[in-house]
Amino acid sequence: GEDVEQSLFLSVREGDSSVINCTYTDSSSTYLYWYKQEPGAGLQLLTYIFSNMDMKQDQRLTVLLNKKDKHLSLRIADTQTGDSAIYFCETRGNYGQNFVFGPGTRLSVLP
Amino acid sequence: DSGVTQTPKHLITATGQRVTLRCSPRSGDLSVYWYQQSLDQGLQFLIQYYNGEERAKGNILERFSAQQFPDLHSELNLSSLELGDSALYFCASSVGGVGANVLTFGAGSRLTVL
Repeated sequence: GEDVEQSLFLSVREGDSSVINCTYTDSSSTYLYWYKQEPGAGLQLLTYIFSNMDMKQDQRLTVLLNKKDKHLSLRIADTQTGDSAIYFCETRGNYGQNFVFGPGTRLSVLP
Repeated sequence: DSGVTQTPKHLITATGQRVTLRCSPRSGDLSVYWYQQSLDQGLQFLIQYYNGEERAKGNILERFSAQQFPDLHSELNLSSLELGDSALYFCASSVGGVGANVLTFGAGSRLTVL
């Protein structure tokens, strides 16, 4: 089946930028999502990007998509302690098929 | 509060038993999605319903079934439970059925099978 991969851990200092990476195998992925999960909570949609876009910016969040390399990244500017959480990327086909999540990246923000 | 309500929050049961998890979508949302999150399998999509009809199917076991009722709430039935079914089960809802749907997740139902 299709696969989505992420680094499992990332540590950054407060105020620095964080970059969380995701690679996927399904070339038919049309919609790509980033979610945040805090301890004991459900998933919160942060942002998403269509496969015909290269970049999307939303306040402190910047999503970059390299469709040729099937690589997606999420950059968080001025990372704060409240950003400590697990971040999941998800890919989805055009008609809602093939919902595939990565294993999640645990972001730790050090003071 | 996301607007997606899941019950029960916690459930402990024994192997071989059957349980039902319930989800009420956010007001105005027609689609309901079910996900399973476990330590060994990670986050997996199980099934999606849109306005009462099954729309997409993921890694849902044959022992599991789901339905969406006319009032749009959904139930996930898990039967012949095994230890490996212990997980957090999330429900999410969205307005549409296909495309770039923005999903809103519930807080989850934690199932422990002993």
